Amino acid sequence: QKEVEQNSGPLSVPEGAIASLNCTYSDRGSQSFFWYRQYSGKSPELIMSIYSNGDKEDGRFTAQLNKASQYVSLLIRDSQPSDSATYLCAVTGYGGSQGNLIFGKGTKLSVKP
Amino acid sequence: EPEVTQTPSHQVTQMGQEVILRCVPISNHLYFYWYRQILGQKVEFLVSFYNNEISEKSEIFDDQFSVERPDGSNFTLKIRSTKLEDSAMYFCASTPDRVEYFGAGTRLSVL
Repeated sequence: QKEVEQNSGPLSVPEGAIASLNCTYSDRGSQSFFWYRQYSGKSPELIMSIYSNGDKEDGRFTAQLNKASQYVSLLIRDSQPSDSATYLCAVTGYGGSQGNLIFGKGTKLSVKP
Repeated sequence: EPEVTQTPSHQVTQMGQEVILRCVPISNHLYFYWYRQILGQKVEFLVSFYNNEISEKSEIFDDQFSVERPDGSNFTLKIRSTKLEDSAMYFCASTPDRVEYFGAGTRLSVL
């Protein structure tokens, strides 16, 4: 059974701080890794994708991947109240397009003004 | 910006009835997916579809479920005889490559 684990939170940070979200996955064959943001009652919205070890930065977001440790993280710098949402880590075992996503339960982030 | 469109946004049905959830994937995407999310739980994969056939399905996707691409734009999920436990948000997603883009979802309420 392929699993993706996340701390459910809630993770509370003050506005302007760095939020750090973590995820581990069980399948060593996993190839593609994603962070989605989900507001309550809404659909998942892609924040970042990462496919190789190391860091990937996009604006205030940095994704980090360590395949040896089977660990993915997301850093949000200068956190804003609008970042308050549930962050879903998702993993697929296939390198190409046919892979279905395995989601974690999500970490609820609350950014306090 | 192109987006995945799902209709209806909310579907209420009686237990045992058939429902069809509709999706229009992004036009140049070739891979389509259905996921569901029961309230308070994680997003779960149901089925993937490519080249007019199912490429993979999960244990959840039993004989009560079917998918179809009836024309060049629509992608449907049919539940033949709904159960109370089918109540959930159903998300359609599509991708041209690796990244999957999700529609807004259909909330299915089975009474």
